[in-house]
Amino acid sequence: KQEVTQIPAALSVPEGENLVLNCSFTDSAIYNLQWFRQDPGKGLTSLLLIQSSQREQTSGRLNASLDKSSGRSTLYIAASQPGDSATYLCAVDDYKLSFGAGTTVTVRA
Amino acid sequence: EAQVTQNPRYLITVTGKKLTVTCSQNMNHEYMSWYRQDPGLGLRQIYYSMNVEVTDKGDVPEGYKVSRKEKRNFPLILESPSPNQTSLYFCASSLNPKNIQYFGAGTRLSVL
Repeated sequence: KQEVTQIPAALSVPEGENLVLNCSFTDSAIYNLQWFRQDPGKGLTSLLLIQSSQREQTSGRLNASLDKSSGRSTLYIAASQPGDSATYLCAVDDYKLSFGAGTTVTVRA
Repeated sequence: EAQVTQNPRYLITVTGKKLTVTCSQNMNHEYMSWYRQDPGLGLRQIYYSMNVEVTDKGDVPEGYKVSRKEKRNFPLILESPSPNQTSLYFCASSLNPKNIQYFGAGTRLSVL
């Protein structure tokens, strides 16, 4: 059974600092990995999807890397802003989506 | 606007009183699924549907039913709710299971 872990559970940084969020998974036989953002009282928004054949994916200030062999993915958010405050979830797709518990990020102005 | 719509957003009910949470998507997606989110446990899949009239169990299907009579709708039915079903529920849809998932805004359910 796929286990997805996100450490740390919470993170607080000053505005402008780069964010590094980690995701690890136990079974490397995956189709893809997705990073989501969740705001309080709202649903999940997909940020990036990395196919298993890709090493990284970029969108604006966001960059996600994938190392299947070590079972790790990292989401980098450059020059953080208060609007980046949210919970970030990673989800691994083998034959179904398995989610981590998330990292709650607070960016202090 | 492309979206997944869940109703109601908030629901308080009592043990044993049947309820239905509706989910509708306007993107002509074939794949739909239901999740529950609990503190410390993350999101867990309840049921999913690959297409009309095709549904299957996820990780935590006990106490839930679903139906997929039309492509756009995927209601979640709790025939006899219990307090351990108090949770935040999300519906999601995508073209297929390997594509980007689009989530509804969530339904917060409390069973007393």
